[in-house]
Amino acid sequence: AQKVTQAQTEISVVEKEDVTLDCVYETRDTTYYLFWYKQPPSGELVFLIRRNSFDEQNEISGRYSWNFQKSTSSFNFTITASQVVDSAVYFCALSEAFMNSGYSTLTFGKGTMLLVSP
Amino acid sequence: DAGVIQSPRHEVTEMGQEVTLRCKPISGHDYLFWYRQTMMRGLELLIYFNNNVPIDDSGMPEDRFSAKMPNASFSTLKIQPSEPRDSAVYFCASSFGQATDTQYFGPGTRLTVL
Repeated sequence: AQKVTQAQTEISVVEKEDVTLDCVYETRDTTYYLFWYKQPPSGELVFLIRRNSFDEQNEISGRYSWNFQKSTSSFNFTITASQVVDSAVYFCALSEAFMNSGYSTLTFGKGTMLLVSP
Repeated sequence: DAGVIQSPRHEVTEMGQEVTLRCKPISGHDYLFWYRQTMMRGLELLIYFNNNVPIDDSGMPEDRFSAKMPNASFSTLKIQPSEPRDSAVYFCASSFGQATDTQYFGPGTRLTVL
């Protein structure tokens, strides 16, 4: 069984603050993939990042950064100098690689709503 | 490049009516997924296809739901008869290669069943 926990239901910050969204996952597989998606108020789901379980290097993309720690089964997402346009629901997701069949499903966390006020 | 296309974007119907949601995946993608999003249950996978063949439909709520993929560029999700509890946003997503590859989502169809 796999599970993704995003304990923070809602976070409110003021523009320019840094904010970290937590994601903790559970899996028995040694090969798996972690994802973050953004869902702005308009409703679409926007892909942000995909990470495999063998790559623990932190990732930085502009104001976004991700910290992957297998020891704590966490894949946290930090937005530096937040902006109003960052207001959205952010989903963490997990996909296992089933070696025999390649069959896998994407399990989403419940999401964290980030509100950035001016 | 065009992303995943879904139609209609909004659908309002009355209980008991048939509803058909449509999806065009990204060209060249081998996998197509249908999800449902509600406040109570979050994002749930309903069914997915690989090379037009249904692989796992264990997420389909009940027999009122059916999905088809007659060719690589088109899929439908049908609800017949519809019920108020089917009200949700339905997303279609597609990915290239393995099921663990990145899934790209369409804009969703917001379904309201009165």
